[in-house]
Amino acid sequence: DQQVKQNSPSLSVQEGRISILNCDYTNSMFDYFLWYKKYPAEGPTFLISISSIKDKNEDGRFTVFLNKSAKHLSLHIVPSQPGDSAVYFCAAREGNTPLVFGKGTRLSVIA
Amino acid sequence: GAGVSQSPSNKVTEKGKDVELRCDPISGHTALYWYRQSLGQGLEFLIYFQGNSAPDKSGLPSDRFSAERTGGSVSTLTIQRTQQEDSAVYLCASSLGTGVDYGYTFGSGTRLTVV
Repeated sequence: DQQVKQNSPSLSVQEGRISILNCDYTNSMFDYFLWYKKYPAEGPTFLISISSIKDKNEDGRFTVFLNKSAKHLSLHIVPSQPGDSAVYFCAAREGNTPLVFGKGTRLSVIA
Repeated sequence: GAGVSQSPSNKVTEKGKDVELRCDPISGHTALYWYRQSLGQGLEFLIYFQGNSAPDKSGLPSDRFSAERTGGSVSTLTIQRTQQEDSAVYLCASSLGTGVDYGYTFGSGTRLTVV
């Protein structure tokens, strides 16, 4: 059973527009959430995180929103750039346990 | 080294053979994690080490999989009698600790193909 779900395998957005990537989770004990970005033939790299005590965290063009009651988080990228084209993984953890990852969403930003 | 190093980067092996995958974590990182990504799947947790101990081996898919870590540094993931379903990218990550404030740094992975 998938505890972290990314239901959109792919997303295509025009350069300059907003990209919204979604993630749902089932484990209500998760208390820390992260987004990782992965380019082909490279390992995932950390992008942004949010603690369960917050509902928003912003870092430059990237903002993560957390809705605990809906067990839903989203990553907003604005404005989207061609270099943002990658696979984005949502991840979550409960305390010090290892991260649980979703299947990823492939974002394509079209110039 | 500056990052997490994994070797080999690519491995093609015949079904039934044993393989060893190596991970060199960032110096000083006490926690080390193994994940794998099969085609069309997310990152599947396999095992993690805190120092040389493996508190959680729950993700290992079968008893053909084993891992060890020596000297609090290098880790080896061994797959015995490989099967075609073992084909995947095996990713290693390290972190300063297991606490929530410690992020993971991933290596580039080993792409294993079992033919």
